[in-house]
Amino acid sequence: QQQVKQSPQSLIVQKGGISIINCAYENTAFDYFPWYQQFPGKGPALLIAIRPDVSEKKEGRFTISFNKSAKQFSLHIMDSQPGDSATYFCAASISSNTGKLIFGQGTTLQVKP
Amino acid sequence: DAMVIQNPRYQVTQFGKPVTLSCSQTLNHNVMYWYQQKSSQAPKLLFHYYDKDFNNEADTPDNFQSRRPNTSFCFLDIRSPGLGDAAMYLCATSRQRGSGQPQHFGDGTRLSIL
Repeated sequence: QQQVKQSPQSLIVQKGGISIINCAYENTAFDYFPWYQQFPGKGPALLIAIRPDVSEKKEGRFTISFNKSAKQFSLHIMDSQPGDSATYFCAASISSNTGKLIFGQGTTLQVKP
Repeated sequence: DAMVIQNPRYQVTQFGKPVTLSCSQTLNHNVMYWYQQKSSQAPKLLFHYYDKDFNNEADTPDNFQSRRPNTSFCFLDIRSPGLGDAAMYLCATSRQRGSGQPQHFGDGTRLSIL
């Protein structure tokens, strides 16, 4: 019940296309859903995050869509660029908890020029 | 400017030889976390400090210990590294504990075991 399932494992998109990564969870106590971007040899960096009282959040080319009833959320990268090529992790945590992040398995995105 | 600094970036040690990884932060955050990330896997939380309060994850092996001598520094000690401990070790900080607090990660220390 503590798991966050992420798909696809890898994704190849043409420059200018839309990249979509999906995550699903079981624990309805989760109330914070961040996305992290990780480049090779670097630590994860917070990209964008959402709480379940909002169905969508947009920051630049990055949008999180959240479906509370389905217990799913997704990251959309519009106008994907080669510089977006990285590994993306969704995560979830619980307010009343220690802030422990439960990460999805990761998606390796390659954007072809 | 780097805010969470991990040293060294690469560490090689021998099987069974104790090793210490270090993390420092300039953010003055109360919480410091240690994660283990194996190749092509998600980061896995080992433990965290909330100020001086140490919190171990239930499945963290006893082989792993941590020290936080002050707000800025935190150390990960591996007492007797095994081959299975080869991984990237990530330090992260957050201002406070609890959901919604962004975690800021360092660039990690890649540990190899000979």
